[in-house]
Amino acid sequence: GAVVSQHPSWVICKSGTSVKIECRSLDFQATTMFWYRQFPKQSLMLMATSNEGSKATYEQGVEKDKFLINHASLTLSTLTVTSAHPEDSSVYICRARGGGRTSYEQYFGPGTRLTVT
Amino acid sequence: AQTVTQSQPEMSVQEAETVTLSCTYDTSESNYYLFWYKQPPSRQMILVIRQEAYKQQNATENRFSVNFQKAAKSFSLKISDSQLGDTAMYFCAPRELTGTASKLTFGTGTRLQVTL
Repeated sequence: GAVVSQHPSWVICKSGTSVKIECRSLDFQATTMFWYRQFPKQSLMLMATSNEGSKATYEQGVEKDKFLINHASLTLSTLTVTSAHPEDSSVYICRARGGGRTSYEQYFGPGTRLTVT
Repeated sequence: AQTVTQSQPEMSVQEAETVTLSCTYDTSESNYYLFWYKQPPSRQMILVIRQEAYKQQNATENRFSVNFQKAAKSFSLKISDSQLGDTAMYFCAPRELTGTASKLTFGTGTRLQVTL
């Protein structure tokens, strides 16, 4: 099956710094990427949806200037948490959807655990 | 789908027994997909089973099957012959088909513990 990777899997940063998280589709072209955050023992909450080559669409309540999403290629999307604060500590999970024959399928990355100190 | 309710935050089942996880949802769409995902401690979301809303026949996938009641907007997951590897968080997730966003809405999850 298709594989989606995330890098890094775990990151610790100091408050006020920025962190970039990568999401890659390894064996298919991801026309759409979705970014979620998951707090401990909670569900996944959609943050934004991005289509390759266009601006991301953010969910209500998600600050687009704080969570910068770039989907510059069909295999890579990045989420940058700018000026991170402890309340941004969470697991960030991407989901990728391919086009064509793979559009029916949806594949998740393994998540990136962000801890802001 | 606007809301997805999984009324059982935690469940426990003995190995080889059967367990049913419940899910109800709210949608104004007539056609959509329904999914159950499993999230083990590794955090990797794994698709367990999917159901197309236009199909009356309940989906089955080996030991996993669903009871889909469209009128009641209910989508329960039955796990037969439970195995230790089934221990995980389970999320119910409807996916509407309108627009191109293809958004999944996740329920609050049910933590399943399979015991010896």
